[in-house]
Amino acid sequence: DAKTTQPPSMDCAEGRAANLPCNHSTISGNEYVYWYRQIHSQGPQYIIHGLKNNETNEMASLIITEDRKSSTLILPHATLRDTAVYYCIATIYKKTSYDKVIFGPGTSLSVIP
Amino acid sequence: NAGVTQTPKFQVLKTGQSMTLQCAQDMNHEYMSWYRQDPGMGLRLIHYSVGAGITDQGEVPNGYNVSRSTTEDFPLRLLSAAPSQTSVYFCASRPRQGPDTEAFFGQGTRLTVV
Repeated sequence: DAKTTQPPSMDCAEGRAANLPCNHSTISGNEYVYWYRQIHSQGPQYIIHGLKNNETNEMASLIITEDRKSSTLILPHATLRDTAVYYCIATIYKKTSYDKVIFGPGTSLSVIP
Repeated sequence: NAGVTQTPKFQVLKTGQSMTLQCAQDMNHEYMSWYRQDPGMGLRLIHYSVGAGITDQGEVPNGYNVSRSTTEDFPLRLLSAAPSQTSVYFCASRPRQGPDTEAFFGQGTRLTVV
């Protein structure tokens, strides 16, 4: 898995877009970028993933740079319930190797009223 | 659909005691993993399994044993609990090998070793 780097913490005003950056400069061509979040002490929750193209779902958008060395998770209209720790992971799934996704410390996002 | 179920939710052990943390999933997922999370840190992988009968070590396997006799269950055993094993433990499962899969996590077991 490629190493990812995220800022330890960020603030965002309620109702505004939250843009969470992630650096993965050593990512290989077949590694996907995944985002998870962990609200309070609950189990982590999947948000979105992508390979090359930008992706959007009902929760968020993922913007991956053309060189794939970094990405940004966008929560378009942050609410207080989006306050959580957000994890960015770059990983590959091979049929001949075992899956062992490793999570770093992530970014603690605080949505402020 | 229950997803990933962990039991118990809370546990207090005395140093030297043994116990098993249970994890079960009803989604027929091949991959299952155990993580521990300590204050201010991310999740650290303890052990993982890619199918029944196959397990391997993660980042921090010492003091823990696992087995995978069925697809559904992946218990984590502490043979002789130590205070350093006080942590929150998460179990996760993933549907299959392949790039377009996501991990599903249980709600965690909060373990205190005194």
